[in-house]
Formats: sequence, structure tokens, C-alpha cells
Amino acid sequence: AQSVTQLDSHVSVSEGTPVLLRCNYSSSYSPSLFWYVQHPNKGLQLLLKYTSAATLVKGINGFEAEFKKSETSFHLTKPSAHMSDAAEYFCVVSDRNSGYALNFGKGTSLLVTP
Amino acid sequence: GAVVSQHPSRVICKSGTSVKIECRSLDFQATTMFWYRQFPKQSLMLMATSNEGSKATYEQGVEKDKFLINHASLTLSTLTVTSAHPEDSSFYICSARPTGGDWETQYFGPGTRLLVL
Repeated sequence: AQSVTQLDSHVSVSEGTPVLLRCNYSSSYSPSLFWYVQHPNKGLQLLLKYTSAATLVKGINGFEAEFKKSETSFHLTKPSAHMSDAAEYFCVVSDRNSGYALNFGKGTSLLVTP
Repeated sequence: GAVVSQHPSRVICKSGTSVKIECRSLDFQATTMFWYRQFPKQSLMLMATSNEGSKATYEQGVEKDKFLINHASLTLSTLTVTSAHPEDSSFYICSARPTGGDWETQYFGPGTRLLVL
């Protein structure tokens, strides 16, 4: 069975400081991992995805994530937070065993303060 | 590109009535669409997978007679909540997988907020 655990339900950072959103995964097969962002009243937007190529994945809006198999982690980072980054972030896992269905974590709410 | 719309964006209905939610892929064809449910401050839970022209596949615990799914064309899937009750109040989100695209790519709609009184 596949699953993801987002270690923080809420993260608060000051504008201009680094962002770290933590995610650990469990998968019986080679997983694909994603980070999605959900802004109020907007559809989920894909930030980045890992599909067994480079372990350091760069996404949109300056976000990146590193796949660490030894730690079963896929943490999302950004060097400098913007006010517009405030949103709900979901870590997602998918693998062949699940028919490539997306399995969402519980989400991390990112608050960016001035 | 790759825009998915949902209609309505929010709906309030009386207990016992049925509500239909539409999910459309606006600029691509989608053989497969997905329906999710999201409770407040919680994750998205996959309810069912619908394939154009065939019956939907429901996840364990989801009542297929309560949540009717129709995927009659390559750009439209509908979810009908039949005989809605207050416990069906939730945020319903659809996604669409482009026909011929890779298995893991899904584009999400903005969601429909259902409130059953």
C-alpha cells in the first residue's frame, strides 16, 4: 500500500525567509511523487513531480523538492517565501500497484507573514 | 491550456433532493476523469474513476447508487448526488487525465461546494 505523511499541518514563515514543507512516503513500488498547491477558489495546481529521473526536482514559482530514498522523504523547499505562496500544499504519491491513482497527504497550510 | 471547469461552483439544496455537478475539460479530451471529496481541513479522497463510455469504478466505501457518475463524452463527466443528506455536504473536486497522456497527469477543476440543509 502507498501513503504519504505530511509532518506539519501548519507552517508559518516570514516573507523572504526559506520554506520547508516536509513529506514522507511509503510505497511498495517505485513511486512517483508530486506536490500540489491549492489556493482558495482555484483548482489544484501541480508544483512539481518526481518520476525516477533526477532526484532534485525543480518546479514552478521557485519551488523544488529532493527525493531521498534512504529517508523515504520528498520535502518541498523554496529559498525565499512570497506572500502569494500562502496556500494549502499537498504531497501526493502514485505507483503502478495503485493503477497510478493519486494518493494525497493531509495537507500543510502555509502562512506567510509580512 | 489544460483547463478543467466545474459547474456549479457552489450549491445549496434541501435534504432529499438530488444535485448534479458537471466537470468539463475545456481544451483537451479526457478518456478518464476522477471524482474526489474533500472535507474541511482534510485531504482529497478519491471517490471514483470514470471512463468515457463505460461504468465508473468506485472506491471502497463509496455508494455507487448514491453518487451516480456519467461520462458520456470525452470532455464531460457528471456526478449526481442522489437524495442528498447533510452528511453529504462537502467539497467535490474533479480531475481529468488527457487522452494519450502519461498515467499520472491529472488536471483539477476548481471544486464544487455542496451544502445540504
